[in-house]
Amino acid sequence: RKEVEQDPGPFNVPEGATVAFNCTYSNSASQSFFWYRQDCRKEPKLLMSVYSSGNEDGRFTAQLNRASQYISLLIRDSKLSDSATYLCVVGEFLSGGSYIPTFGRGTSLIVHP
Amino acid sequence: GAGVSQTPSNKVTEKGKYVELRCDPISGHTALYWYRQSLGQGPEFLIYFQGTGAADDSGLPNDRFFAVRPEGSVSTLKIQRTERGDSAVYLCASSPGLAAPQYFGPGTRLLVL
Repeated sequence: RKEVEQDPGPFNVPEGATVAFNCTYSNSASQSFFWYRQDCRKEPKLLMSVYSSGNEDGRFTAQLNRASQYISLLIRDSKLSDSATYLCVVGEFLSGGSYIPTFGRGTSLIVHP
Repeated sequence: GAGVSQTPSNKVTEKGKYVELRCDPISGHTALYWYRQSLGQGPEFLIYFQGTGAADDSGLPNDRFFAVRPEGSVSTLKIQRTERGDSAVYLCASSPGLAAPQYFGPGTRLLVL
């Protein structure tokens, strides 16, 4: 199966900082992209979908760079509550019509006072 | 509305035993996914259903693993002759369609002694 790579971190940042994570993928035919947030011992929760034109949701901005095959997540004005693991997901349709979502291993973010 | 539910939340079993893990998806969601997550890793795709049929089971590690979704709603993941290496969190997710965002249940923590 194709690879999805993330820097595991941890990224250790002060409150109020801006932090960005990247996620690279190997299959240029990948078609759907998402960011999830996972707190310790909890299930992943959808943070945002990633659209070709880029999209923003409050302090969070997601972008897709198809040419370089990566997606990014930017968090502005970090809050203590942003501390979590951020997982990227890349989905591809295979010949035959199957759809396979592949998760990265996650990037750990720690926001400190 | 109700989210994805999974039972049991925890399961401790002995090597060689058979276990069943249950997932109840969000009502109306046609796609249902099973993942396995080990510590420090992202969720690893196992199998997904579109309706009642297993659309892709390429992620199942071996023939000890099997899943069903007989009526297109609730799904059961079955593991025969469990091994210690099967210990992990088993996550279920549902989505309204392929390539749509997925919504996860709280997972079943399986420990094989």
